Amino acid sequence: DAGITQSPRHKVTETGTPVTLRCHQTENHRYMYWYRQDPGHGLRLIHYSYGVKDTDKGEVSDGYSVSRSKTEDFLLTLESATSSQTSVYFCAITGGAGEQYFGPGTRLTVT
Amino acid sequence: QKEVEQDPGPLSVPEGAIVSLNCTYSNSAFQYFMWYRQYSRKGPELLMYTYSSGNKEDGRFTAQVDKSSKYISLFIRDSQPSDSATYLCAMSFYGQNFVFGPGTRLSVLP
Repeated sequence: DAGITQSPRHKVTETGTPVTLRCHQTENHRYMYWYRQDPGHGLRLIHYSYGVKDTDKGEVSDGYSVSRSKTEDFLLTLESATSSQTSVYFCAITGGAGEQYFGPGTRLTVT
Repeated sequence: QKEVEQDPGPLSVPEGAIVSLNCTYSNSAFQYFMWYRQYSRKGPELLMYTYSSGNKEDGRFTAQVDKSSKYISLFIRDSQPSDSATYLCAMSFYGQNFVFGPGTRLSVLP
């Protein structure tokens, strides 16, 4: 357990509404990640952060933005949710030996 | 060619069998190799982690890395119904730029 929590755990929202997902970690890890997991696509990186206010894009970043104002929190925002963003979203951190640990996930449905 | 290839299964085995799960990859620069177990509607759980080539054993689980063949394996001995899950392989450079396989769905039948 790498001390990662995600909120909310489940969310249903309507197309066009903004949505923010939160990832919180308690162990002061520098690197944090947001992935989405979809059938047939596996885990795909959306954005990652390598420090406070330091973020970069992953392979599926269109339609998403992130912010990291504190070491422990990494926020993922869907500015205007679309049905194609219905997915399970996982936050992850990199441990001290280069391994990666995941949070419990947020199941997002966009109707 | 995909960076990481993994047979999606499903793979069904009887309880007590030895399970072999495999991934191949294309980029010889990968140095860190991981196996995750993911139960339905849960997050991936890190099972095994190895750096560079070689074997690593942890209880009923053994991870093997053959960098010359770009091939990694996870063996599960004395498989149990509780091992039924999806198993993901992953690899990275210097602990960054993680790449994941699509996962193999395993069912261990009592």
